[in-house]
Amino acid sequence: GQQLNQSPQSMFIQEGEDVSMNCTSSSIFNTWLWYKQDPGEGPVLLIALYKAGELTSNGRLTAQFGITRKDSFLNISASIPSDVGIYFCAGLKETSGSRLTFGEGTQLTVNP
Amino acid sequence: DTGVSQNPRHKITKRGQNVTFRCDPISEHNRLYWYRQTLGQGPEFLTYFQNEAQLEKSRLLSDRFSAERPKGSFSTLEIQRTEQGDSAMYLCASSDYRGYNSPLHFGNGTRLTVT
Repeated sequence: GQQLNQSPQSMFIQEGEDVSMNCTSSSIFNTWLWYKQDPGEGPVLLIALYKAGELTSNGRLTAQFGITRKDSFLNISASIPSDVGIYFCAGLKETSGSRLTFGEGTQLTVNP
Repeated sequence: DTGVSQNPRHKITKRGQNVTFRCDPISEHNRLYWYRQTLGQGPEFLTYFQNEAQLEKSRLLSDRFSAERPKGSFSTLEIQRTEQGDSAMYLCASSDYRGYNSPLHFGNGTRLTVT
């Protein structure tokens, strides 16, 4: 079963607002990844984080690798309608080979 | 830039039938992965290949499931005697493996519906 708790499950915001979502785990992960999935498509990699405390940006997206290595955060600034989709966190453990563990996703709706 | 390609995109089958899906990874990616995603959930790992060798299989992969990557390029996932619980999106991903944390790039999946 999945080990990552992602919150919130869903968000309804107005265009232009900032968004924050997070992912927590009871165990340590060595790499955190954030993906976005649109309906009927596969997940698309947004940001990869490789070191505890790391803060990485990709345009309006900023993600952080928590100091404890048990959590990660994703922020989206100045949301736009095309940000709509499901955002997944995923973790990798050095001892688990390449097996990604995914959270259950945050469904984001942006109202124009 | 050619991404991961999966065929078919949709498959509807009757319970008890066999189905086969194909995945073409990004060219020269040495690792290929299969994940399964049910509605409202994140993808769950099924199995992965390093070139043609299948290195790991999840306990989710019952005896009815078999995956191959015969020449280290494309891969097939076969489900025998399908059950309604097999209905899901089957996602393929590939990576240019240089370490355990090499990013995975996903295809658009094959959505299976078992009636």
